[in-house]
Amino acid sequence: EDQVTQSPEALRLQEGESSSLNCSYTVSGLRGLFWYRQDPGKGPEFLFTLYSAGEEKEKERLKATLTKKESFLHITAPKPEDSATYLCAVYSGGGADGLTFGKGTHLIIQP
Amino acid sequence: DTAVSQTPKYLVTQMGNDKSIKCEQNLGHDTMYWYKQDSKKFLKIMFSYNNKELIINETVPNRFSPKSPDKAHLNLHINSLELGDSAVYFCASSQVAGSPLHFGNGTRLTVT
Repeated sequence: EDQVTQSPEALRLQEGESSSLNCSYTVSGLRGLFWYRQDPGKGPEFLFTLYSAGEEKEKERLKATLTKKESFLHITAPKPEDSATYLCAVYSGGGADGLTFGKGTHLIIQP
Repeated sequence: DTAVSQTPKYLVTQMGNDKSIKCEQNLGHDTMYWYKQDSKKFLKIMFSYNNKELIINETVPNRFSPKSPDKAHLNLHINSLELGDSAVYFCASSQVAGSPLHFGNGTRLTVT
């Protein structure tokens, strides 16, 4: 069974204070690792897909990286509007053939 | 235009009732899903469906059943609602299985 563990559960940063979120995974044959952002009362919004170790993707202040065991979401000089829950998910083609999600990291950026 | 829309946004009902949640996607995607997000915000897949096949997560009670009248719609029917069914239910779609999911904004179900 695929497993995804995210840490920390919650993170509070000052505006401009860079940090990283961790996503550790156990799957039988990774076919994709996904990062999503979820705002209160909304559905998750797709950010990145990573397919192989060493791959990196960037979008504005966010950068996602992937190794064989984990992924990091680096947030550089965050702004208050980056506050959200960040979800990591994996796809292996097993189970119900959907993505398996972690429990998320609740990120708060204080002005 | 909303890519994935689901109705209602809120649903409050009593134990034992039967209810449905509707979902529509206008992205032309082949695969649709239902996910359940519990009180701890944990998203768990319930079903995936394309025009050929329904795949059910083995942990989902058979009181839950998806119905797809056409490729753009996947409705969720729930029979004999229980207190533990209270959660936020998300519909999603993707081009094919394994490609990025596009989510609706959820239906908050409260069973009293």
